[in-house]
Amino acid sequence: EVQLVESGGVLVQPGRSLRVSCAASGFTFEDYGMHWVRQAPGKGLEWVAGINWNGGSIGYADSVRGRFTISRDNAQKSLYLQMNSLRVEDTALYYCAKPPGISAAGYYFDNWGQGTLVTVSS
Amino acid sequence: QSALTQPRSVSGSPGQSVTISCTGTSSDVGGSDYVSWYQQYPGKAPKLVVYDVIKRPSGVPDRFSGSKSGNTASLTISGLQAEDEADYFCCSYTGIYTVFGGGTKLTVL
Repeated sequence: EVQLVESGGVLVQPGRSLRVSCAASGFTFEDYGMHWVRQAPGKGLEWVAGINWNGGSIGYADSVRGRFTISRDNAQKSLYLQMNSLRVEDTALYYCAKPPGISAAGYYFDNWGQGTLVTVSS
Repeated sequence: QSALTQPRSVSGSPGQSVTISCTGTSSDVGGSDYVSWYQQYPGKAPKLVVYDVIKRPSGVPDRFSGSKSGNTASLTISGLQAEDEADYFCCSYTGIYTVFGGGTKLTVL
């Protein structure tokens, strides 16, 4: 059974940095690209970033490009999102999501974690 | 990277059919073979119910069906059941990035 478990979400002040993580199990992690999708409280879903199987191809949403960095460690079966210069509008539940193949393409997401809550507030 | 447009809410009675629309542009929905739909219950993670415009993952009832015409994709739920009451999000991969719709709340009357 595929399991994705996010962690690292906390309350942080605007302008600060934070790294959230996603631990994967139940599938061959290095055979798949991975993505981050976020959902602000009471709002819709927003794609944040995607990475291919070996980190060689990466894509970002315009709203986070230049501030966020997605990365992965296949040996640890983990996905990361480094978030710098955080803004109030980055407050959201951050989901780790698995696409169907090895590329960074977000064709669709067939498995999701339960999310980790990042709150940006002074 | 503008969000796709969905109605904020739709409703139907048990046994009826409802259709949720998702309107984009020729750069996303209209030009993509990769439109997907997700069902989300309050406090839960999204669940894939339709992918590649018309395909259903294993385990999703055939009451759920997807289609597309021009720049608008649609999710139709037939034989509506109480358990179908949830939020539904459409999604399109453009070849460069992925974009979601704003979400539609389905109420089963």
